[in-house]
Amino acid sequence: KQEVTQIPAALSVPEGENLVLNCSFTDSAIYNLQWFRQDPGKGLTSLLLIQSSQREQTSGRLNASLDKSSGRSTLYIAASQPGDSATYLCAVLRDQGAQKLVFGQGTRLTINP
Amino acid sequence: EAGVAQSPRYKIIEKRQSVAFWCNPISGHATLYWYQQILGQGPKLLIQFQNNGVVDDSQLPKDRFSAERLKGVDSTLKIQPAKLEDSAVYLCASSWTSGRLGDTQYFGPGTRLTVL
Repeated sequence: KQEVTQIPAALSVPEGENLVLNCSFTDSAIYNLQWFRQDPGKGLTSLLLIQSSQREQTSGRLNASLDKSSGRSTLYIAASQPGDSATYLCAVLRDQGAQKLVFGQGTRLTINP
Repeated sequence: EAGVAQSPRYKIIEKRQSVAFWCNPISGHATLYWYQQILGQGPKLLIQFQNNGVVDDSQLPKDRFSAERLKGVDSTLKIQPAKLEDSAVYLCASSWTSGRLGDTQYFGPGTRLTVL
């Protein structure tokens, strides 16, 4: 059974800092991994999707890496801004069987002005 | 394009009552998902539809939860009777095809259910 873990559960940093969010998964047989952002009272927004054959993806100030063999992914946020405050979730899609996303519990990020 | 619509946004009921949630996916999306997100946890898939057929409902508590997607467009999720542990946000998502092709899932704003 696939399990996804995100550490830390919460993180608070001053504006302007670079930061890293961590995600680990127990079964390396994944099709892809996604990072989502969730704002209070709103749904999830997909930030980056990494296919199992890829090592990283970049979008603006965000960079996500994937090490499938070790079951780890990181989301790097450069030059953090107060608007980056949200909960960040990672999710993996299995490469066989039922095609469903398995989510971690999320990291609640607060950027202090 | 319009996003995934859900209603109601909030619902408060007493335990043992019934409740229904509605979802309208993005136009043209064949796949529809219902997730349950308990406070402090990530979303958990309850049921996945491909058009109007069920692809996966392995984590749906079928003794009290039911879902349908008539005509392969809108969907309704029902809980009857509700328990305290059903308090959660219920998220609906849709995508062009199944997750096999790695299609992005687009999420609605969710319905926050409180069971007293």
